[in-house]
Amino acid sequence: DAGVTQSPTHLIKTRGQQVTLRCSPKSGHDTVSWYQQALGQGPQFIFQYYEEEERQRGNFPDRFSGHQFPNYSSELNVNALLLGDSALYLCASSTGLGSYNEQFFGPGTRLTVL
Amino acid sequence: DAKTTQPNSMESNEEEPVHLPCNHSTISGTDYIHWYRQLPSQGPEYVIHGLTSNVNNRMASLAIAEDRKSSTLILHRATLRDAAVYYCILRDSSGAGSYQLTFGKGTKLSVIP
Repeated sequence: DAGVTQSPTHLIKTRGQQVTLRCSPKSGHDTVSWYQQALGQGPQFIFQYYEEEERQRGNFPDRFSGHQFPNYSSELNVNALLLGDSALYLCASSTGLGSYNEQFFGPGTRLTVL
Repeated sequence: DAKTTQPNSMESNEEEPVHLPCNHSTISGTDYIHWYRQLPSQGPEYVIHGLTSNVNNRMASLAIAEDRKSSTLILHRATLRDAAVYYCILRDSSGAGSYQLTFGKGTKLSVIP
């Protein structure tokens, strides 16, 4: 049973560019959340998708957008990249919208903005 | 989500028990206490959660104070693979709260061979 998978593993972009990160949830999961983790910090919630809709959003600008597909996989898009967007981007999957449901995390995508 | 306070770092000798404390003095009656850990170069992984009673699973035990203002994650026999950052997180189960996990900086556990 494959867990949460993310692609690519690493990515290098320059300021002003756009990037798309991808996530496939654990089998049987229908909810995907995205987190940003800066070096030395805990992960920070970006947004959560369920039934192909954004259900909750953290304190991130509109440059961060996402999408969920009918097969529950998800994309995170970041436009007009800034140096401060350099971070590990984590995807987590779970079942339903219950706030106590265990979230399963992928290994993350390391984004470097030069 | 209510705030938690954890020590920045702790050390333990291999094969000895480890007690990781967490203070959450503003916890509400509907908040569950969750623990996640993040091994180096990996995403966080769920460890355990509880509401009022102490909980045990194959990974760890969770001891919750009677007033619920603090809790302790117990690793009964630390191994080198337990070296990680441990996060204590409160999650509102009332349905009115948010769905995300609110991470602090956690406690970095070092295990000495």
